[in-house]
This record gives sequence, C-alpha cells and structure tokens, in this order.
Amino acid sequence: DQQVKQNSPSLSVQEGRISILNCDYTNSMFDYFLWYKKYPAEGPTFLISISSIKDKNEDGRFTVFLNKSAKHLSLHIVPSQPGDSAVYFCAAGGDSGYALNFGKGTSLLVTP
Amino acid sequence: GAVVSQHPSWVICKSGTSVKIECRSLDFQATTMFWYRQFPKQSLMLMATSNEGSKATYEQGVEKDKFLINHASLTLSTLTVTSAHPEDSSFYICSARTALLYEQYFGPGTRLTVT
Repeated sequence: DQQVKQNSPSLSVQEGRISILNCDYTNSMFDYFLWYKKYPAEGPTFLISISSIKDKNEDGRFTVFLNKSAKHLSLHIVPSQPGDSAVYFCAAGGDSGYALNFGKGTSLLVTP
Repeated sequence: GAVVSQHPSWVICKSGTSVKIECRSLDFQATTMFWYRQFPKQSLMLMATSNEGSKATYEQGVEKDKFLINHASLTLSTLTVTSAHPEDSSFYICSARTALLYEQYFGPGTRLTVT
C-alpha cells in the first residue's frame, strides 16, 4: 500500500520558470519529510527536508511547503534550470524507526 | 560531508553464485544503514534496515536467507545476494544516517545483472 504518492509521473517546465512538484501522504504518523533528486543509474541526492512542526523550509532555489491538514507537501524550484532535470522523490518517515517511505517519483524536464 | 560509497558499481554474475555489495560511509559514522532495491521506472523499495552490531530488520517479503546483511562497523555494511537468480537483477542502493539527523544519505548504487 503506497503511503506516499506522487501523482504526476512527469513535469515539463521552461527554464527560468517555477517548477512545482507535489506529494501526498496517507499516514498521519509521518512527522518528517524529505525530497531527493535522482539521476539515472545513480543514488538519490538529498535536497531538502521539513519536519511536521514547520510549514515551510527554504534553501536557495528550493522551498518545501507542508500542509499537514491536507497531508500534502510540495517542492518549489525557482528559477528552474536545465540541470534540475531529474527524477524527484518525495519521502516521509517517523511512523516506525528511521525508515523512509518513498513516492514513485516525478520526472522533471527543464527545457531551455 | 555525508558521502556514502558503494562497491562495486556494477557486477555481472552467473546464476547460482553469490555476490557481495559493500556500502561505506566515508566521512561520518552511520548508526543505521538501509538497503533499497529499485526496478526500472519504479520507486525505491526498502529491503532491510541494519543497526551497527545488530541483526538486520527485513521488510515483509524480503528473504533474509537470500539477502544477507552485515553491519559490522559504524562505517561499513554489506549485502550478499546468495544463490543469485536472474530475477535478482536490479539496482541496489544503500543509504546511511547518523544518530543525530533524520536525513538518509545514499550511495551511488550497484547494478547487478545475473545471467
């Protein structure tokens, strides 16, 4: 049963514009959320995280928003760059131990 | 900081043989290491969680006798795929975390092909 869902398998955005990647979760016990970026045949790279006590965390061009009541989080990338083209995974943890539950990923393509 | 390495990066083996994959945290001590498997165009599937000096905790459906995990030190965990079959062919990724942070840092992955 997929507890973390990324309903958009792909997204295409023009360079310089905002990329918004969405993620929904079902387990109310999750209290920590992370975004990872992954290139083909490589391991995921940690991007940004947010704990459930916050509703926003910003790091450079990346901002994560958390709406606990809606069990929804989003990653905003502004401005988008061609090098941002990758698969982005949303992950959540806190329900048991430190294991993370991953979404299926959203493939972002930033076009020049 | 927070660099995790894996070795080998890719391996081809014959059906019935065993393959060992190493995961090392290079610049931090990893109290917990995780092993994931990723099928093409699929999400990361957690296989097992291991704490240094303890037996690994396997996820449901993962055969512990087939996927042997050892976490003998704070910087090294190994995954041994025993009696490999072609269906074990996959991309195996490890991750590590410290006792202080929730974030997991991932290795570059190992592509296993069983012929």
